[in-house]
Amino acid sequence: SAVISQKPSRDICQRGTSLTIQCQVDSQVTMMFWYRQQPGQSLTLIATANQGSEATYESGFVIDKFPISRPNLTFSTLTVSNMSPEDSSIYLCSVGDYEQFFGPGTRLTVL
Amino acid sequence: AQSVAQPEDQVNVAEGNPLTVKCTYSVSGNPYLFWYVQYPNRGLQFLLKYITGDNLVKGSYGFEAEFNKSQTSFHLKKPSALVSDSALYFCAVRAPRSGYALNFGKGTSLLVTP
Repeated sequence: SAVISQKPSRDICQRGTSLTIQCQVDSQVTMMFWYRQQPGQSLTLIATANQGSEATYESGFVIDKFPISRPNLTFSTLTVSNMSPEDSSIYLCSVGDYEQFFGPGTRLTVL
Repeated sequence: AQSVAQPEDQVNVAEGNPLTVKCTYSVSGNPYLFWYVQYPNRGLQFLLKYITGDNLVKGSYGFEAEFNKSQTSFHLKKPSALVSDSALYFCAVRAPRSGYALNFGKGTSLLVTP
């Protein structure tokens, strides 16, 4: 199984600002995913990020709001732009194909 | 479109008793099914998966799940619950040839009392 770390683990931000979340994996992986878990809710896929190509966004998520970078096979970033309180969530990255392994998550609170 | 349903928001079990957390799925074709557990302030941990083969799948921490195609179910089970099993459990599905992203159920909170 892959070991995944995320930075920051949590943050409190002001509305209108942006936060970039980093995801680092201890091995090279092709498939990487970003999910959002709103308070008391299930996980919702934001986008799929494969190295060397543009991220593929799910319905309801747009690149201007959630730009993603995937510069290599072990690293990705998700930026939450122009934040509002509705963006308060846990953001998780995951890797894998038949088995997906998740990072510890970034708990974001927007005031 | 693929989806899973977890009909129970919460399941309460006494320690030592068997536990079942229910999951039903809807998918075109043969599903790939997964169970994850989330402890407070922790990320998701993989428990087990069904891709193909035996309908009874054994996973981590003594958990198992039974794939039932006729009932489109994939219930999570454990013969003897521990207080430390108290957590949030998510069922997830992926349809073949739909990409690798998972669709998650809403989660079931398991409370095991001493």
